[in-house]
Amino acid sequence: QVQLVQSGAELKKPGASVKVSCKASGYTFGNNGVCWVRQAPGQGLEWMGWISAYSGNSKHAQKFRDRVTMTTDTSTYTAYMELRSLTSDDTAVYFCARAGGEWEPIDYWGQGTLVTVSS
Amino acid sequence: YVLTQSFSVSVAPGQTARITCGGNNIGSKSVHWYQQRPGQAPVMVIFDDSDRPSGIPERFSGSNSGNTATLTISRVEAGDEADYYCQVWDSTTDHRVFGGGTKLTVV
Repeated sequence: QVQLVQSGAELKKPGASVKVSCKASGYTFGNNGVCWVRQAPGQGLEWMGWISAYSGNSKHAQKFRDRVTMTTDTSTYTAYMELRSLTSDDTAVYFCARAGGEWEPIDYWGQGTLVTVSS
Repeated sequence: YVLTQSFSVSVAPGQTARITCGGNNIGSKSVHWYQQRPGQAPVMVIFDDSDRPSGIPERFSGSNSGNTATLTISRVEAGDEADYYCQVWDSTTDHRVFGGGTKLTVV
């Protein structure tokens, strides 16, 4: 069965960076893409971007374009999302999710990774 | 592109819940719906306006026309209590857009 397993919770100081991993199993990783979506406490879902696991091509939300890097490692079926220059507003649960194309529906989600930014 | 959802909807068990998602000419876009129970990751319940993924009960249905897309949940159960999010792809900005979410309460 399709599974996306994310790395554990992180506590970071303002100005630092965080890198969240997402290990996929149960499907051919290179045939799909990975979305990243975040959810601040008590808030809704916010799209951050999408990356093709096959080509590495990506699309990012304008809001994060200068601070986020999305990568994939097809040898380990793992996707990564790095967010730099963290502020308290970046405190959120970060989800990875499978979507065939940047516009396609998200059919499977990871369990989420809580990133807390606090001094 | 902005998607507008009601903050909350309340319905009695066994009744029908309708959750709307408003957007400019949303009928020309494909709308997807996700259910998120407290403390859990979202789950897709409807894709491409009205298609159900395998494993989603037939009680869940969707429609999309004009400026409003609707998620309908028939014979509502206590387990349907969750937040529901609509989502589209905005080709103008190349952004995936989510609605603000609707909290379904089963009273």
